[in-house]
Parts: sequence; structure tokens; C-alpha cells
Amino acid sequence: DIQMTQSPSSLSASVGDRVTITCRASQGISNYLAWFQQKPGKAPKSLIYAASSLQSGVPSKFSGSGSGTEFTLTINSLQPEDFATYYCQQYINYPLTFGGGTKVEIK
Amino acid sequence: EVQLVESGGGLVQPGGSLRLSCTASGFTFSTYNMNWVRQAPGKGLEWLSYITSSSGTIKYADSVKGRFTISRDNAKNSNSLFLQMNSLRAEDTAVYYCARSLRYYDSGSLLDYMDVWGKGTTVTVSS
Repeated sequence: DIQMTQSPSSLSASVGDRVTITCRASQGISNYLAWFQQKPGKAPKSLIYAASSLQSGVPSKFSGSGSGTEFTLTINSLQPEDFATYYCQQYINYPLTFGGGTKVEIK
Repeated sequence: EVQLVESGGGLVQPGGSLRLSCTASGFTFSTYNMNWVRQAPGKGLEWLSYITSSSGTIKYADSVKGRFTISRDNAKNSNSLFLQMNSLRAEDTAVYYCARSLRYYDSGSLLDYMDVWGKGTTVTVSS
């Protein structure tokens, strides 16, 4: 199985900050990577697929990059509604696997 | 509006069974592949199972293989995805989500990613 490792596991940031989350795959996954946002008590929401393609309706403040084994999710100008947990997930192979999550908290 | 609504969760004793349903609306259910994903309390996301639109291909995570069965009913008056869960264990306690797979082409390959999720249904396995 492909292991997905996210870092950091949590971070504190202020409104207006730019934050970057890293996701590493245990083997090359090309660009077959998705990012999800999850708020407490809510379902995950798709943000990005194919490592860098924005899901319809997702604001352009979210961006993704990377290929192979290393990927990043960047959130520009952090707003109160962006404080959540973010997950990466590979879909090149089954079983599909998720990273452990990165909780973005208010400083 | 594209919507997925899960139901069927509840409290069940260890060793018991439960059948989850996911009803789809707002899109042509019969043309989409589907997934089940769960989240144990305070934990991350765990993919469980995948089924293609025609039920021709089915995949499971090792943690549920042999105990859980995914299926679907593409009839227009149903548009439903199911997860039959048997031999339930305490570690199966979680919120269970169904998620639609959106298919796209990339460099000649056909890929699926999960684009729409339901709100989830809670399963508690306890005596």
C-alpha cells in the first residue's frame, strides 16, 4: 500500500497569512493526488485533484503543486472559514490512501 | 443540486450486522463510480470500498474484506449505494461517508477522484 505522510500535523496561523502543507507519498504517484478540507462535524470537501487542478467552485486562494512523491497545498490570505483539517489522498492505486491530516488553527 | 444522503447507521453489538444506504440525487447515478469512506472518532479518513457504475469492478480495503459488501441499485426509483456490514467490531465504530467518483482522462489513462461526499451516518459497535 502507498503511505501518505502529511506535515505538519497541525499549525497555527493568523488571518491573512499564507500557509503551506506538505504531503509525501511512499512511492511515485505521478500527479494522482487530491486535497480535501474538513471542518469539525462536517463531511470532507474536495478542493484539488490531479495535484493542481482546482475543483469547481473552490476559490483560487487554494493552490496545489507537485508530482511524483512530494506535493504541497498552499492557502493564500487565510480567512476564518479556512480554519479546518486538510487531507491529501492518492488515487493511482487501490487501496486509496489518505494522509493523516493537517489541522490549521487560529493563532 | 448534487446530493448524497447516507442512512442506516446506529448502535449494534459486536458480531452484529448493519446495512448502510446512500441515496443519490441531482445527477445520473447510474453513470458514476462510487465509494465508501469512514472516519473513526478523532481519527483521519479511511477508504473502504469502491464500485464501478455497472458493478463490474469492486474493490475493498483489507480491513473490511470478507466482512463488508458494497452494492448498488441503479434503478431510477432507487439510485442507491449500499454497504452490508457483517461481523462488526468495536474498531468499526465511525462515521461512514459515501462519495462519488468523478472520472477524467490524463495522458491516455482514465482516473477517478472523489468529488462529492454525503454528510455521513454514524455507526457505533458496542455491547
